[in-house]
This record gives sequence, C-alpha cells and structure tokens, in this order.
Amino acid sequence: AQSVAQPEDQVNVAEGNPLTVKCTYSVSGNPYLFWYVQYPNRGLQFLLKYITGDNLVKGSYGFEAEFNKSQTSFHLKKPSALVSDSALYFCAVRGLTGGGNKLTFGTGTQLKVEL
Amino acid sequence: SQTIHQWPATLVQPVGSPLSLECTVEGTSNPNLYWYRQAAGRGLQLLFYSIGIDQISSEVPQNLSASRPQDRQFILSSKKLLLSDSGFYLCAWSDRGTYYEQYFGPGTRLTVT
Repeated sequence: AQSVAQPEDQVNVAEGNPLTVKCTYSVSGNPYLFWYVQYPNRGLQFLLKYITGDNLVKGSYGFEAEFNKSQTSFHLKKPSALVSDSALYFCAVRGLTGGGNKLTFGTGTQLKVEL
Repeated sequence: SQTIHQWPATLVQPVGSPLSLECTVEGTSNPNLYWYRQAAGRGLQLLFYSIGIDQISSEVPQNLSASRPQDRQFILSSKKLLLSDSGFYLCAWSDRGTYYEQYFGPGTRLTVT
C-alpha cells in the first residue's frame, strides 16, 4: 500500500524568504506525485505533479517541487514567499495498485507567511 | 473548460435525519468521481469512488452511501445522520487513466446537531 508523510504540521516563513514544505512517500513501483493547496473553507486546488522526466517540476503560482527517488521525497518549494501563500498544503501519491486513479494524501502542512 | 459544482454549500441537520449531497461536473465525459470527508480541517478520507454509472466502490464502511445516476452526477446519501458525520465533504473528478490529477469542488460544510 502507498503512503505519504508530511513531517511538519506547520511551517512559518517570512515574506520574501524561500519556503520548503516537505513530503516523503512510500509506494511500489514508480510513483505519481501531486501537490495541492487549500484555503480556508475551500476545495483543494491542484498545484503540480510529477509523472516522469525532469526531477524539478514547475507549477502554479510560482511553486515548484523536486523529486528525489533515492530519498523518496517530493518537497514543495518557492523562491520567495508571499503572505497570500499562507494556506494548507497537501502532498499526494498515486501508486500502481488499485483502480480508479485513487490518491493517498498526507495529513497536510499549514504554511504561515508573515510580514 | 471543466467545472465541478457541489450543493448545498452549508448544511445543518439534526441527528437521525437523512442526507443528500449532490455533485455535478461539466465539460468532460466519463470522469472518475470521488467523495472525500475532511474532519477538523486536516486529513482527507476517501469515502467512495466511481469509474462509471452504477460502478461505485466504498472505501470505508459507515452509514453513508453513494450513487451515480448519470455520467457526471455523484450523490452522497445517508438515511440517518450521526454526530460523527459532521465535516467538510469534498467531491472531486479526474480523467480516466493512471496519472491524471483530481480536481476538487468547493465543498459542503455539514454540521450534525
């Protein structure tokens, strides 16, 4: 069975500084990895995904993520954080077992960007 | 472009009452459809997923059920709500295939009193 770990419940960053939200995964075979963002009382918004190819994936709103197979990680990054980036971030993995294109989500990391 | 709708946006129901939440998708055909519950603003629990009309899989045994009467319509129901059914319910869709992302609706906030 696949699993995702987001080791930090909350990350605090000053505006203008780089940010990293960590994610590690466990899956049989090649992973398909996703990042989502959720603002209060809203649905999740898709940010980016890794399927194959370049280990650095670029996504929406200036976010990018780096896939590291040896460390089984897929950390979300942004060079310069904005206050408006403050939200709940979810990492998800799609393994090769099971049908219906099901995703397994992490428990989420609350990002707080302060002035 | 594709859009996904959920209604109602908020709902307050007494314990023991029935429930019906509706989700519809526009702008795509034969989508996979999903119902999630999010408790306490955190982790997502997959409740049901569907790969076609009347093809629904349940992930967690509970007093909820799901139906897909039309290709782009997904309904979450209960005959008798429990206090523990309170939460934020999210519907999502994806294209068929292995590596397509899921797109989420705006959610329904359910409070059982």
